[in-house]
Amino acid sequence: KNQVEQSPQSLIILEGKNCTLQCNYTVSPFSNLRWYKQDTGRGPVSLTIMTFSENTKSNGRYTATLDADTKQSSLHITASQLSDSASYICVVSANRGSTLGRLYFGRGTQLTVWP
Amino acid sequence: SAVISQKPSRDICQRGTSLTIQCQVDSQVTMMFWYRQQPGQSLTLIATANQGSEATYESGFVIDKFPISRPNLTFSTLTVSNMSPEDSSIYLCSVGHGGYQPQHFGDGTRLSIL
Repeated sequence: KNQVEQSPQSLIILEGKNCTLQCNYTVSPFSNLRWYKQDTGRGPVSLTIMTFSENTKSNGRYTATLDADTKQSSLHITASQLSDSASYICVVSANRGSTLGRLYFGRGTQLTVWP
Repeated sequence: SAVISQKPSRDICQRGTSLTIQCQVDSQVTMMFWYRQQPGQSLTLIATANQGSEATYESGFVIDKFPISRPNLTFSTLTVSNMSPEDSSIYLCSVGHGGYQPQHFGDGTRLSIL
């Protein structure tokens, strides 16, 4: 069964600190993995997309890693800011042989950054 | 990236009524999708809105309950029919061009059924 599991479910950190969010998946055949940020009351916004051959990708203070062998990904946030408070969603695309793979969504990690 | 406008942003409806949600994109897009997001749950794909033809529904979702229109490459509607409290959720419109391109999401419609 194709699944995406994220941990922790929620996380509270102090402003300026770093944190790492985890994503484990069983989706096969794998196409790509995406991290989205969803602010309260808003739609998800794409942070990174990684294909099978990419181990790491950065977007400002966000760095995503991918280990396709162990089917694990992480999202590292450096020097957190209050605006980082949001839900972070891991999304894995399965290759269906068409130009658009099916997306499997994790439940998200709710990050709260305190001043 | 595409700018997506969803209307209404929120609504409170009576049981048994229907509500149509609109999704307008500022540019032509290949793919348009409708998702449901329930509290604490992952996003669930309802259907793919196909331009000029019937939508493709995912398992567990049927056209009679969630009729979808897509008259052109920039606009789509989702109707939630004969609503019950179990339909209370956030409904999101998403667009994409396929492949490795990111999907872009609207801000959603927060629907509560009394």
